[in-house]
Amino acid sequence: DTGVSQDPRHKITKRGQNVTFRCDPISEHNRLYWYRQTLGQGPEFLTYFQNEAQLEKSRLLSDRFSAERPKGSFSTLEIQRTEQGDSAMYLCASSLGRARASTDTQYFGPGTRLTVL
Amino acid sequence: GESVGLHLPTLSVQEGDNSIINCAYSNSASDYFIWYKQESGKGPQFIIDIRSNMDKRQGQRVTVLLNKTVKHLSLQIAATQPGDSAVYFCAENIRAAGNKLTFGGGTRVLVKP
Repeated sequence: DTGVSQDPRHKITKRGQNVTFRCDPISEHNRLYWYRQTLGQGPEFLTYFQNEAQLEKSRLLSDRFSAERPKGSFSTLEIQRTEQGDSAMYLCASSLGRARASTDTQYFGPGTRLTVL
Repeated sequence: GESVGLHLPTLSVQEGDNSIINCAYSNSASDYFIWYKQESGKGPQFIIDIRSNMDKRQGQRVTVLLNKTVKHLSLQIAATQPGDSAVYFCAENIRAAGNKLTFGGGTRVLVKP
């Protein structure tokens, strides 16, 4: 399977615990994105990377959230001191990220469903 | 699997009929638009995209229409099949302002046999 993969697919945690999710983008994709989706809503942008550089962060990304992409390949999203409001689907996407391309299609992974009790 | 979009607008369509899904986008500066399909328990799947210098683009069984005057986007699915049952989202992007996508609220399509 050469698509975007995410791990774990489901995570149940207690309030106050830390969680970390992993995303493996499509090979050779330079850009990697994180989105959050709650039931009945479309995905909301959190942050994105161009190679290993984090270029944009949404105001949704509070201080408890941190994302990394240390070698420009896989990425991790960590949530510290989880709250019940963090319960959502966390989606990762990747795109080629060619500088002069007129379009840059984002391909999504299956997501990680987080439930905070 | 989990359910995506419990309280979304729903379009019920008979198998074999054509479907039209509408989307009103918010930013007149957006210059790139994409339709995604999301099945229960899965991430959004790319269907078709269109740039703002076009008003129509066709794919296999799908057509996207863009009306920039009224900031309206539509997705037409020809000969709708049971496998088309899903939630459909439109997304917009301002290419020069970065790569984040802003998604609309979604429409659930139910195909009746």
